[in-house]
Amino acid sequence: QKEVEQNSGPLSVPEGAIASLNCTYSDRVSQSFFWYRQYSGKSPELIMSIYSNGDKEDGRFTAQLNKASQYVSLLIRDSQPSDSATYLCAVIGGGYQKVTFGTGTKLQVIP
Amino acid sequence: EPEVTQTPSHQVTQMGQEVILRCVPISNHLYFYWYRQILGQKVEFLVSFYNNEISEKSEIFDDQFSVERPDGSNFTLKIRSTKLEDSAMYFCASRPTGAAYEQYFGPGTRLTVT
Repeated sequence: QKEVEQNSGPLSVPEGAIASLNCTYSDRVSQSFFWYRQYSGKSPELIMSIYSNGDKEDGRFTAQLNKASQYVSLLIRDSQPSDSATYLCAVIGGGYQKVTFGTGTKLQVIP
Repeated sequence: EPEVTQTPSHQVTQMGQEVILRCVPISNHLYFYWYRQILGQKVEFLVSFYNNEISEKSEIFDDQFSVERPDGSNFTLKIRSTKLEDSAMYFCASRPTGAAYEQYFGPGTRLTVT
């Protein structure tokens, strides 16, 4: 069973701080990694994709991938109350079709 | 910015009835997907569709489910005989061809089976 594991949280950070979200995956042949944001009652919204080891930055977001450790993370700098949501780690394996989602980490940014 | 649309936003049906959920993927996308999310649980893959055929499906996608692209814009999910446990949010997603595998989700249809 191919799994994507996340701490369910909630992770509480003060406004302006860095939020760090972590994810591990079990399928070693996984090729593509994504972070989605999901507000309550809404659909997943893609915020970052990463395909190779290292860091990828986009605005306040940085995704980090370590395939040897089967580990993906998302850093959110200068966290804002509007960042409060559930962050879903998602992985595509060797088939390039099916996305396997983690259960998500709930982030609360305290004003 | 182009987006995936889904109708209806909420569907209530009685157990045993057939439902059809509709999606309009982003216009230049050629890969289409259905996912579901039971309340409080994680998003689960149901099926992927490319070139007018199913390319992958999960164990959830049994004989009571089917998908169709009836014309150049719509992509539908049919549940033949709904069960109480089919109550969930159903999300359609699409992605373009090429090396990027990002999937973009529609707003979802909330299905309530009574």
